[in-house]
Amino acid sequence: KAGVTQTPRYLIKTRGQQVTLSCSPISGHRSVSWYQQTPGQGLQFLFEYFSETQRNKGNFPGRFSGRQFSNSRSEMNVSTLELGDSALYLCASSTRTSGGTDTQYFGPGTRLTVL
Amino acid sequence: DAKTTQPNSMESNEEEPVHLPCNHSTISGTDYIHWYRQLPSQGPEYVIHGLTSNVNNRMASLAIAEDRKSSTLILHRATLRDAAVYYCIVKETSGSRLTFGEGTQLTVNP
Repeated sequence: KAGVTQTPRYLIKTRGQQVTLSCSPISGHRSVSWYQQTPGQGLQFLFEYFSETQRNKGNFPGRFSGRQFSNSRSEMNVSTLELGDSALYLCASSTRTSGGTDTQYFGPGTRLTVL
Repeated sequence: DAKTTQPNSMESNEEEPVHLPCNHSTISGTDYIHWYRQLPSQGPEYVIHGLTSNVNNRMASLAIAEDRKSSTLILHRATLRDAAVYYCIVKETSGSRLTFGEGTQLTVNP
């Protein structure tokens, strides 16, 4: 099976702009989660979508939003970009194991630089 | 999710075993213990998970203490490719959310 793909891989924006990142999960995976990784804060959970519904949300401002489509593909949007939004944005799709917990498979990430 | 404590860094020599410890004293009875690792310039990668019993897979072994307040990830023969940040995560059964700590930076010397 193909892995999780994210587009674009690199992005440069200026303050005040908005950006949309895309994630295609592994075929058959219905859950997609987004994470932000920065040197200062590490890996932080943004939100999770399952069957087109947001199932969980991290502690980020409303400028960060997402959605999931019927084919499980997901997008996240950041509006009114700030310098602090420069980060690696990671998408993960997951499947439930036979033991009753989820295993997540991460994409390579989108490196966003805000100037 | 329960908080975990890991050493900031560890070193190993190539082809030697590596034992990466993790403390999770506030774990609840239904929480799973997951390990992920992140190689340089890549997204995190699933390594192994367990609930109560020790677990083995092709990548590693997971040894869980009887009281479940600690666990150890065991790489049987470290290779240079195993140099990464290793994250121990205690995860609730519901949902997919992972709460990452700072992890352990593993250096493998040739």
